[in-house]
Amino acid sequence: SQQGEEDPQALSIQEGENATMNCSYKTSINNLQWYRQNSGRGLVHLILIRSNEREKHSGRLRVTLDTSKKSSSLLITASRAADTASYFCATSGTASKLTFGTGTRLQVTL
Amino acid sequence: KAGVTQTPRYLIKTRGQQVTLSCSPISGHRSVSWYQQTPGQGLQFLFEYFSETQRNKGNFPGRFSGRQFSNSRSEMNVSTLELGDSALYLCASSLVRTADPYEQYFGPGTRLTVT
Repeated sequence: SQQGEEDPQALSIQEGENATMNCSYKTSINNLQWYRQNSGRGLVHLILIRSNEREKHSGRLRVTLDTSKKSSSLLITASRAADTASYFCATSGTASKLTFGTGTRLQVTL
Repeated sequence: KAGVTQTPRYLIKTRGQQVTLSCSPISGHRSVSWYQQTPGQGLQFLFEYFSETQRNKGNFPGRFSGRQFSNSRSEMNVSTLELGDSALYLCASSLVRTADPYEQYFGPGTRLTVT
C-alpha cells in the first residue's frame, strides 16, 4: 500500500511557469525523496531531504518538508517541455524500503 | 559509471509459467531493492537484498522471491504467474553509507505481460 497521497494528480502548465506538487505521508520518516518518471520508464532521483531539514534546493528544484504536518512540496521553477513526466515522493523510515506516493502527472506545453 | 541495468526489458509470459528477472547494480552498490509498478496499486516495495541476504520484504505472496549474488547482482523470480502480475518491475541499487543510506538509483525496468 502507498504511504500517502500527492496532489494534484495531474497538472498542466505552459513552459516558463512554475509547477508545484504536494505530498502527504502518514508515518514518521527518516527522509523524503522526490523522483521523476518518464512514460513508464525507470525512476530518476531528483532530491533527498532529511527529516531534520525544512528546505532544500537543487537547480530549478525547491523542496520543503513539514514534519509536523507530514507533508512536502516540490517546486519546479521556469518549467520546460522536458520536465513533462510523473513525479513521485517517497519516504523511508528506519529501513531502506521506500514507500511511494500516488504521483503527479505534469504536462508542460510550449 | 554505468547505471543500473535490468534484463530483459520486455517479457511476455503465459499464466502459470514462472519468470526470472535480472538486475545489475551500479558498481560498488551493495543494496538492491525490487519494486512493482501497476496502474492500480502504484509503486510497491517487493524486497531488498544486502550482502546476499534479504533485509526487508514487502507484502507480496511467496510466489515472489529473490536472491543476490556475491557480486551484488540480483534476480527476482515469480512462479505460477497470474494475470495480475503484469507490471513494470523496477530494480534499484543503493550505496549503503551512513550519510544517505536510502538514496536509490533505479534501472529502466522490465515490462512483464502475463497473458
